Amino acid sequence: NAGVTQTPKFRVLKTGQSMTLLCAQDMNHEYMYWYRQDPGMGLRLIHYSVGEGTTAKGEVPDGYNVSRLKKQNFLLGLESAAPSQTSVYFCASIRTWGETQYFGPGTRLLVL
Amino acid sequence: EDQVTQSPEALRLQEGESSSLNCSYTVSGLRGLFWYRQDPGKGPEFLFTLYSAGEEKEKERLKATLTKKESFLHITAPKPEDSATYLCAVFIRGGSEKLVFGKGTKLTVNP
Repeated sequence: NAGVTQTPKFRVLKTGQSMTLLCAQDMNHEYMYWYRQDPGMGLRLIHYSVGEGTTAKGEVPDGYNVSRLKKQNFLLGLESAAPSQTSVYFCASIRTWGETQYFGPGTRLLVL
Repeated sequence: EDQVTQSPEALRLQEGESSSLNCSYTVSGLRGLFWYRQDPGKGPEFLFTLYSAGEEKEKERLKATLTKKESFLHITAPKPEDSATYLCAVFIRGGSEKLVFGKGTKLTVNP
């Protein structure tokens, strides 16, 4: 039981490049979330999903897109990376609303 | 607007020196509150969930309590391995399916 895994662990992009971050969970959880964490800002919600095929915007969605084609996977896309998107990205999941949210190990992204 | 405020931002203790971290919230209807521990370079790790005022939970040197306006994380006789950032988050009755996080308290325990 791997829990929540994230790929890649670290990535360097040039401004304007695109990439996709993958989050996978093997706990059959319904809800999945993408956060970014920046110094002094805490965890901020980017997008989330309450089930396969659904997505919703969080607090800071601009510049990001997401897809949840399979229940176990939640993808975060950056179409045209900007230096302001340099951050640590965390994925999380919960079985159902109100239960414990489990986090992945994070992806560190540097945009030059 | 729903808000979660943690204090202090940073706390330095000597090994064995007990203290408390605070998480105060102003939300429209609290359904529950989570405490997490986060080590550098890692994702948050779940510690406790509290659902109602007066509830308490303990784990080793940590004890979490909840009132109608705030939660405390009490650390008794801390050890250097307790050094981490502690996060609290609330989930709200009737709100959307997301948590509201505080910015965390960075705890350093010196030997």
